[in-house]
Amino acid sequence: NAGVTQTPKFRVLKTGQSMTLLCAQDMNHEYMYWYRQDPGMGLRLIHYSVGEGTTAKGEVPDGYNVSRLKKQNFLLGLESAAPSQTSVYFCASSSPLGGGETQYFGPGTRLLVL
Amino acid sequence: AQSVTQLGSHVSVSEGALVLLRCNYSSSVPPYLFWYVQYPNQGLQLLLKYTSAATLVKGINGFEAEFKKSETSFHLTKPSAHMSDAAEYFCAVSVSGTASKLTFGTGTRLQVTL
Repeated sequence: NAGVTQTPKFRVLKTGQSMTLLCAQDMNHEYMYWYRQDPGMGLRLIHYSVGEGTTAKGEVPDGYNVSRLKKQNFLLGLESAAPSQTSVYFCASSSPLGGGETQYFGPGTRLLVL
Repeated sequence: AQSVTQLGSHVSVSEGALVLLRCNYSSSVPPYLFWYVQYPNQGLQLLLKYTSAATLVKGINGFEAEFKKSETSFHLTKPSAHMSDAAEYFCAVSVSGTASKLTFGTGTRLQVTL
């Protein structure tokens, strides 16, 4: 049982390049989330999904797109990377229980945009 | 919308001393409250959570937190700090009906000295 895994662990991009971050979970969770973590700002929600084929915007969605074609996978895309997107990206998942669900986090992807 | 304020971005304690990390929340509806811990270069791990049952919540590694509605607080404590407690701690809030989206505080880095 691997929990939540993220690919890649680290990536360097040039401004304007594109990339996709992959999140996979093996806990059969309905809900999945993408956060970014920046120094002094905690974690901020980028996009989330409440089920296969559905996505919704979080607090800081601009410059990102997501897709949830399979229940176990949640992809985060950067179409044209900018230096402001240099951050650590975390994926999380949870199972709906009517409130107060625990989110389980992946190990993170460190992204540097030059 | 809900929010979380963590007082003190850095806290330093001696090994064996009391750990107190402060968290205040704002929410117009009953909140669910969480404390997560992040060790260097790792993802977030749940320490404990409040889900409207007992107001004193016990978590892993000897940590506990008390929900005080009148003070809108959810402070994290541990009677005796250990070197292995050095990490960053995040308080977070969610409310019912929002797909368990978490709003995080900015984090408190705990340093434990000999």
